[in-house]
Amino acid sequence: LAKTTQPISMDSYEGQEVNITCSHNNIATNDYITWYQQFPSQGPRFIIQGYKTKVTNEVASLFIPADRKSSTLSLPRVSLSDTAVYYCLGSGAGSYQLTFGKGTKLSVIP
Amino acid sequence: NAGVTQTPKFQVLKTGQSMTLQCAQDMNHEYMSWYRQDPGMGLRLIHYSVGAGITDQGEVPNGYNVSRSTTEDFPLRLLSAAPSQTSVYFCASSLTTGGTGELFFGEGSRLTVL
Repeated sequence: LAKTTQPISMDSYEGQEVNITCSHNNIATNDYITWYQQFPSQGPRFIIQGYKTKVTNEVASLFIPADRKSSTLSLPRVSLSDTAVYYCLGSGAGSYQLTFGKGTKLSVIP
Repeated sequence: NAGVTQTPKFQVLKTGQSMTLQCAQDMNHEYMSWYRQDPGMGLRLIHYSVGAGITDQGEVPNGYNVSRSTTEDFPLRLLSAAPSQTSVYFCASSLTTGGTGELFFGEGSRLTVL
């Protein structure tokens, strides 16, 4: 299971693109990178998962460079409703102990 | 399809009391797990299960017991509640062992131990 490091908090204005970087220097060959979003008083929700290069869905994009030692979650044109905590996880098949760090608290400012 | 259902949503206990937090999923997921989340902290894994009859400890298992008699249910038992167990508890499930699949979380159970 990859140990991940993220910034504790970030602020952004509405309408801006937000990039949250996660460092995972010890990522294993078969590990995937997964991002979750958590609103107050709710359980985390899956956002996106990737292995390498770029993955995009209707909510976000995930960029993973060739060395896979870091990844960047990109949220286009954030709104107030994107204010949440974002968690980065590195894990592979058979990773039973999925551990979440403290995540990045994103605050979107009007 | 209800997803992951946790009960109760709120509970107040006195020190030394016992209780069970219920978790049920209707997605036929093999993997289930319990986390606790304290203020300003991330989620910490308590116990997990990779299938009926199979359970194992996570990061913070002390004071908690689990069992998995069916695929659908994964209850978490507090045998003798302590104030340090005041927390929000989340149950999660995944079709795979979790590493490459999506974890689905319940809405949480807020426990206060006096």
